[in-house]
Amino acid sequence: EVQLLESGGGLVQPGGSLRLSCAASGFTFSNYAITWVRQAPGKGLEWVAGISGSDDSTNYADSVKGRFTISRDNSKNTLYLQMNSLRAEDTAVYYCAKCSGYYNIEYFQYWGQGTLVSVSS
Amino acid sequence: EIVMTQSPATLSVSPGERATLSCRASQSVSSNLAWYQQKPGQAPRLLIYGASTRATGIPARFSGSGSGTAFTLTISSLQSEDFAIYYCQQYNNWPRTFGQGTKVEIK
Repeated sequence: EVQLLESGGGLVQPGGSLRLSCAASGFTFSNYAITWVRQAPGKGLEWVAGISGSDDSTNYADSVKGRFTISRDNSKNTLYLQMNSLRAEDTAVYYCAKCSGYYNIEYFQYWGQGTLVSVSS
Repeated sequence: EIVMTQSPATLSVSPGERATLSCRASQSVSSNLAWYQQKPGQAPRLLIYGASTRATGIPARFSGSGSGTAFTLTISSLQSEDFAIYYCQQYNNWPRTFGQGTKVEIK
């Protein structure tokens, strides 16, 4: 059974940093691209960033480019999202999701339960 | 950026009735379109990919159609567990973008 478990969320002040983790199990982690999607309170879904299975290709939404960094450790079956220069508009539940293939970040087959990031002073 | 527009925003349907949800793209996304279901307090669940292929374990009452800029998700006979918010998502262009969602509520 595919499982994705996010952690690392919490309350942070504007301008601060946070690192999210997503621990994966139930599939060969290194064989799949993985992505982060967020959802602001009461709002819709926003794709944030994605990374290929081998870690050699990453893509970002313009809203986070230059501030967020996606990475993965295939030896630990774990995905990360380093978030710097956080803003109030980054407040959201952050989901990690397994993509359908190794390289392409297309549609999102399985999702974790999410971790809440709140940016406020 | 491709803008995905879903309609209606809210759809009121009686159990057992048919529901038809629409998703339009601001430019062609070919058949690179997925649909997700989200219930309150839960993560989204993949329903359809490739515009018309059901994901693993998705009941046959869910069907998708369309290509280019116009897409439809049809739920043939609504069950109680189908009342939720539905999102479309294109994966033809960067960045990947979602529609704003259609809430299917009990009439």
